[in-house]
Amino acid sequence: DGGITQSPKYLFRKEGQNVTLSCEQNLNHDAMYWYRQDPGQGLRLIYYSQIVNDFQKGDIAEGYSVSREKKESFPLTVTSAQKNPTAFYLCASQRWVDGANVLTFGAGSRLTVL
Amino acid sequence: ELKVEQNPLFLSMQEGKNYTIYCNYSTTSDRLYWYRQDPGKSLESLFVLLSNGAVKQEGRLMASLDTKARLSTLHITAAVHDLSATYFCAVDGETSGSRLTFGEGTQLTVNP
Repeated sequence: DGGITQSPKYLFRKEGQNVTLSCEQNLNHDAMYWYRQDPGQGLRLIYYSQIVNDFQKGDIAEGYSVSREKKESFPLTVTSAQKNPTAFYLCASQRWVDGANVLTFGAGSRLTVL
Repeated sequence: ELKVEQNPLFLSMQEGKNYTIYCNYSTTSDRLYWYRQDPGKSLESLFVLLSNGAVKQEGRLMASLDTKARLSTLHITAAVHDLSATYFCAVDGETSGSRLTFGEGTQLTVNP
């Protein structure tokens, strides 16, 4: 079945450590997105990529980095510069269907800083 | 900056009752999306509304769009416990291209 796989599902990090969240899709979608969700809040866009080897900052990119070397993969690194990284991270891929911007989300990765 | 506001943010209702969730947005857009999120889970697409006056229904949920008022509603009819979840609306505006901006979400609890 086609879909988006995020790993790990849960991750604990000590302060000062970088961590990388994996996002893989087999939907053949060009565009991919990373969102952050804090308790009781909506989704905020971190980074997005509309094509391989290209990506753009979203609304809260500081302290994060991404790469897009392959169409299928869009990993997110949470660096030590991110002061409050504890959150639920969601990866999505996007396609246009009949004039609509349809996002398919992964199951999410929950990061906790100890 | 595109802003999307939902109200109420928290909604507790009894089974069998009706209620409406409102979604206002700040820029011109003909595309509005509703998603559902169960606790600790990912987002699931519910409805895509693509034009003024669009109405979509599935089961006890009905969504509508008024682009002139920049308002979408999600109406719940005869609520059941299985509808308990957080509901998000999202918009991609003319200036944001394919980027979706999400509302804060409405946390719905349906009590027996």
